[in-house]
Amino acid sequence: DTAVSQTPKYLVTQMGNDKSIKCEQNLGHDTMYWYKQDSKKFLKIMFSYNNKELIINETVPNRFSPKSPDKAHLNLHINSLELGDSAVYFCASSPTGYTEAFFGQGTRLTVV
Amino acid sequence: KQEVTQIPAALSVPEGENLVLNCSFTDSAIYNLQWFRQDPGKGLTSLLLIQSSQREQTSGRLNASLDKSSGRSTLYIAASQPGDSATYLCAPQGSGGGADGLTFGKGTHLIIQP
Repeated sequence: DTAVSQTPKYLVTQMGNDKSIKCEQNLGHDTMYWYKQDSKKFLKIMFSYNNKELIINETVPNRFSPKSPDKAHLNLHINSLELGDSAVYFCASSPTGYTEAFFGQGTRLTVV
Repeated sequence: KQEVTQIPAALSVPEGENLVLNCSFTDSAIYNLQWFRQDPGKGLTSLLLIQSSQREQTSGRLNASLDKSSGRSTLYIAASQPGDSATYLCAPQGSGGGADGLTFGKGTHLIIQP
């Protein structure tokens, strides 16, 4: 009965490929986020979506594009993958942008 | 731009001790502050959320305090147990809410020795 679920949990791919990470929340929240945790374990926000509208885009390369087919889903598409994209990507959601955030288990992306 | 510092970066203590983890942030215009734990290879588990108007919040053996004006928060863990071993992350939320997202510190890596 996972609240925020991401698939896949692990993803290994070659440079130059295009990949997607899926995120679903069953909490009825209005706001969803993508965060990136780099090799030094530092977590930084990438995007947030509120009712399917992109709120912020934090200096993320345009190879990354969030797509939200509905309020419960926020997928992350990455084009032309680079070695530096290797990281753990976390999806999160909150009832509004001002309330407690809940995180998924993360997707470990390795680009070789 | 918000910057978050957590001290100490790592801590190893025998079980049973009471602990204090410190968090400081540069921009006091926050809406709330959340404490998380992260277990190796796992996601983040929310521990406590303190609204900017609150001074402290308690959950079981955990107590978090917030001094917004001075840009500080502490997480107090009473009677520590080996199961408390994890990385603890502090994350203030900007006054813009979802538009700001959470800003994370680098965490305190805690080991409780049996």
